[in-house]
Amino acid sequence: GQQVQQSPASLVLQEGENAELQCNFSTSLNSMQWFYQRPGGSLVSLFYNPSGTKHSGRLTSTTVIKERRSSLHISSSQTTDSGTYLCALERPGNEKITFGAGTKLTIKP
Amino acid sequence: EAGVTQSPRYAVLQEGQAVSFWCDPISGHDTLYWYQQPRDQGPQLLVYFRDEAVIDNSQLPSDRFSAVRPKGTNSTLKIQSAKQGDTATYLCASSLGTSERLFFGHGTKLSVL
Repeated sequence: GQQVQQSPASLVLQEGENAELQCNFSTSLNSMQWFYQRPGGSLVSLFYNPSGTKHSGRLTSTTVIKERRSSLHISSSQTTDSGTYLCALERPGNEKITFGAGTKLTIKP
Repeated sequence: EAGVTQSPRYAVLQEGQAVSFWCDPISGHDTLYWYQQPRDQGPQLLVYFRDEAVIDNSQLPSDRFSAVRPKGTNSTLKIQSAKQGDTATYLCASSLGTSERLFFGHGTKLSVL
């Protein structure tokens, strides 16, 4: 079944609005990572965040293990933030890294 | 520091043809992953190595796909007889051990006609 579920599947915002992306998982985890991918582009690591909250510029990642969820918050969105955001987790005792299907974010000027 | 390098960037094949993808991971990274990413989907793991050893290839279609990493550095993924359903981007990633940050190459975009 689906071990990693991302929501929403797509999100359209006006420039300047904040974006909240969710990743829910059905198992415990060893690690949680967030990636950004432009159309036709490679995956760029945004956060390695197995628990707690991390900040990077306008981005904030929060992972709450007990609630089996991780979120990515983008404040004051810009058109250049458009693309697909993917979360990926590694389960204890299983080194495979499993990806969600992604959230496609479109920021309109 | 050089990132993960993949080649070719693009490949277009007829069904039944063979193709090989090459990956050079970040120097010193012992763990290497191959993912298949169909259009508008998340990456799906095909196989991963620690050094030269295959750790998990359970998702690799063994009748047509093969992957090697003979010296624990570069890796090759080969499709023996491509099918239209193989159309996807093939991504290579490396990390220093598991439970560590993944670094991806640009991928090889494969179209099978």
